[in-house]
Amino acid sequence: DAKTTQPPSMDCAEGRAANLPCNHSTISGNEYVYWYRQIHSQGPQYIIHGLKNNETNEMASLIITEDRKSSTLILPHATLRDTAVYYCIGGSNYKLTFGKGTLLTVNP
Amino acid sequence: DAGVTQSPTHLIKTRGQQVTLRCSPKSGHDTVSWYQQALGQGPQFIFQYYEEEERQRGNFPDRFSGHQFPNYSSELNVNALLLGDSALYLCASSFAPQETQYFGPGTRLLVL
Repeated sequence: DAKTTQPPSMDCAEGRAANLPCNHSTISGNEYVYWYRQIHSQGPQYIIHGLKNNETNEMASLIITEDRKSSTLILPHATLRDTAVYYCIGGSNYKLTFGKGTLLTVNP
Repeated sequence: DAGVTQSPTHLIKTRGQQVTLRCSPKSGHDTVSWYQQALGQGPQFIFQYYEEEERQRGNFPDRFSGHQFPNYSSELNVNALLLGDSALYLCASSFAPQETQYFGPGTRLLVL
């Protein structure tokens, strides 16, 4: 699995876009990039995943660079309920390898 | 449509005891994976079950074992509990081994 690097914490104002970066320079050509989030003491929640192309769903957008060495998760209009630890995972979906993630705090 | 369910929600055991945790996958899912999450850490993969067999295993000792039943539900067993086994145990299901995993709320185990 690819090693991923994320900032330990970020802040965002409510209503603004939250842009969470992730570096995955060792990702191989057939490995996906997955994003999950975990609100305190709950199970991780799937957000989105992608291989090469940018992806969008009802929760977020995922922008993957052309060289696939980094990606950005975008929450278009952050709310207080989006405060959570966000995990970027690069690899096989057989075995998700979680790092420590980014604690996103959305402030009123 | 119920999501992934786990039981019990909380459990307290003493060192040396054995524990069994249970998981029911999301409707339509046939694959179950288990993860251990220590305080302040990300979840760590224990193993994955598909077609009632262990298909993938992480770096956990043999004290950790599992089972999958014909209805796709699963159990995680931990023998000879250690203090370090205190953690949140998460179950995730998917509709095939390589598909997106959806997590349950977890079982919080405290070993005294």
